[in-house]
Amino acid sequence: AQSVTQLGSHVSVSEGALVLLRCNYSSSVPPYLFWYVQYPNQGLQLLLKYTSAATLVKGINGFEAEFKKSETSFHLTKPSAHMSDAAEYFCAVSDPLGGYNKLIFGAGTRLAVHP
Amino acid sequence: DVKVTQSSRYLVKRTGEKVFLECVQDMDHENMFWYRQDPGLGLRLIYFSYDVKMKEKGDIPEGYSVSREKKERFSLILESASTNQTSMYLCASSYGHRVLEKLFFGSGTQLSVL
Repeated sequence: AQSVTQLGSHVSVSEGALVLLRCNYSSSVPPYLFWYVQYPNQGLQLLLKYTSAATLVKGINGFEAEFKKSETSFHLTKPSAHMSDAAEYFCAVSDPLGGYNKLIFGAGTRLAVHP
Repeated sequence: DVKVTQSSRYLVKRTGEKVFLECVQDMDHENMFWYRQDPGLGLRLIYFSYDVKMKEKGDIPEGYSVSREKKERFSLILESASTNQTSMYLCASSYGHRVLEKLFFGSGTQLSVL
């Protein structure tokens, strides 16, 4: 069965510092992987997705993530944090053999950015 | 822009009541989903539907049912609400039948069962 583990339920960084949010997955076949962001009082929005093309995926708002099969990881990074990046981030996995658009989400990481 | 609209932002119900959560999308998407979001647990899939009148159980369907009579509307039903169903409920939709397409989410309904 697929699963997603996000290390660290809360991450705090200074404005301008590197953002690193960790995601490890468990899947029996090479999966599709996603990062979603949830701003306060809003639904989730897609940041980026990996679908077996390039292993380094660039998303919106300067975020990127690298698929590492050997480490079963898909960590999210941003070189320089901005105050507006404060939100909750969710990693999700989908088994391409599972059919339809069923995503399994991680528990989420809340990112705080302080001046 | 795709819009997924959930009928209520906040809802307070009593134990044992029948509760309807409504979701409407305006982009002719085939797939619709109901998730519940709880702190520390992320999003868990309750039910999804890939076509009108079709439904599939997700990971936590117990205590819930769904209805999809029209393509744009997907309803979540709590037959007899219980306090452990207090949660944030998120509706989502997506196009087509492939996992590559992104989900569009509504803003959520915070349900409190007293």
